[in-house]
Amino acid sequence: DAKTTQPTSMDCAEGRAANLPCNHSTISGNEYVYWYRQIHSQGPQYIIHGLKNNETNEMASLIITEDRKSSTLILPHATLRDTAVYYCIVRVDKAAGNKLTFGGGTRVLVKP
Amino acid sequence: EPEVTQTPSHQVTQMGQEVILRCVPISNHLYFYWYRQILGQKVEFLVSFYNNEISEKSEIFDDQFSVERPDGSNFTLKIRSTKLEDSAMYFCASMRLSNSPLHFGNGTRLTVT
Repeated sequence: DAKTTQPTSMDCAEGRAANLPCNHSTISGNEYVYWYRQIHSQGPQYIIHGLKNNETNEMASLIITEDRKSSTLILPHATLRDTAVYYCIVRVDKAAGNKLTFGGGTRVLVKP
Repeated sequence: EPEVTQTPSHQVTQMGQEVILRCVPISNHLYFYWYRQILGQKVEFLVSFYNNEISEKSEIFDDQFSVERPDGSNFTLKIRSTKLEDSAMYFCASMRLSNSPLHFGNGTRLTVT
């Protein structure tokens, strides 16, 4: 699976949009981009995933560049409860199922 | 919303003892995983399980580890003879289809003394 590069940490203001970047310049055509977060040693929580189109759900939006070498997770109105480590992961689809490989993620602190 | 449940939430055991960590995956899911996270470190893949057999395992998953799906609802991780370095959070995950997201439980904190 392709590696990803994320900032180690970032702060954002409560109520503002949080834009979390991820670089995956070696991504292959059949690899999806997944975003998870982990709040204080809880289990990782699925946020969103996409292949090449932008995606939106009730939690966030995922913007993938046209060349697919990078993406941005957008939390539209950050709350204090969004403080967590956010992981950007690329994963190829396999018939027998494929694991997620977690990196260090971005530690996001939402400040009042 | 259905969720993955893990029991116990915290397990304390003595070095050399066997321990079984239990997971109830989401009911219509077909793929099952165990991960672990040592305090302050990354979430690490241990093993994946599909169609009643291990589909992939990491170097961490040595002969001391085994997994089992004893019935239609439970998925267990057994550590035969625990070591101090097995102390970690252990997360179970399940997935419905091969191209769908993994859903994680909230983990079992294993402390080996």
